[in-house]
Amino acid sequence: DTAVSQTPKYLVTQMGNDKSIKCEQNLGHDTMYWYKQDSKKFLKIMFSYNNKELIINETVPNRFSPKSPDKAHLNLHINSLELGDSAVYFCASSPRGGLSYEQYFGPGTRLTVT
Amino acid sequence: RKEVEQDPGPFNVPEGATVAFNCTYSNSASQSFFWYRQDCRKEPKLLMSVYSSGNEDGRFTAQLNRASQYISLLIRDSKLSDSATYLCVVNTNFGNEKLTFGTGTRLTIIP
Repeated sequence: DTAVSQTPKYLVTQMGNDKSIKCEQNLGHDTMYWYKQDSKKFLKIMFSYNNKELIINETVPNRFSPKSPDKAHLNLHINSLELGDSAVYFCASSPRGGLSYEQYFGPGTRLTVT
Repeated sequence: RKEVEQDPGPFNVPEGATVAFNCTYSNSASQSFFWYRQDCRKEPKLLMSVYSSGNEDGRFTAQLNRASQYISLLIRDSKLSDSATYLCVVNTNFGNEKLTFGTGTRLTIIP
């Protein structure tokens, strides 16, 4: 029944490691997003994909690489993790078009880099 | 100037009171406006969209003032369950579906 799901929910890892976060939505939406929410609770967009095509790529280190195997999935791979990458990462999806642009968020992945 | 600016609070309000938040945005070309709600350690969820004519949903009223570039949220007869962080959200890149979030206003309703 979960609309937007993310795995894992918690991720604790050491500096320098490579990790991936997976996201899936069963809403039939065309557009998916990755957001980062830092310790000050500021939520900032990182990437957006529409139908597997990258449409938004904010100023994010190239250690972060999103991958969309199909329009229901958007994964985030992070290389060479740094302390500053510690944050909550939210995946979201929205229907293409329409006036509402409502985005549905997943439960978040709390990443801690030690 | 930040694209979307909110008073972070916290606002501590007694149950039953009326509370109002404002939010300002810098891009006059912005087209879509929303209030999202985020509970502690949870994901943001849409509370309501904000329309030019203003709109109401139960105890919640949202207003948009394009001339002054601000939106507001009014909560009447506040409940304990209204305690949350309220995020002002603006579509700052119309057509590209990019939402810019404010840092949020934290509200605590006191019994």
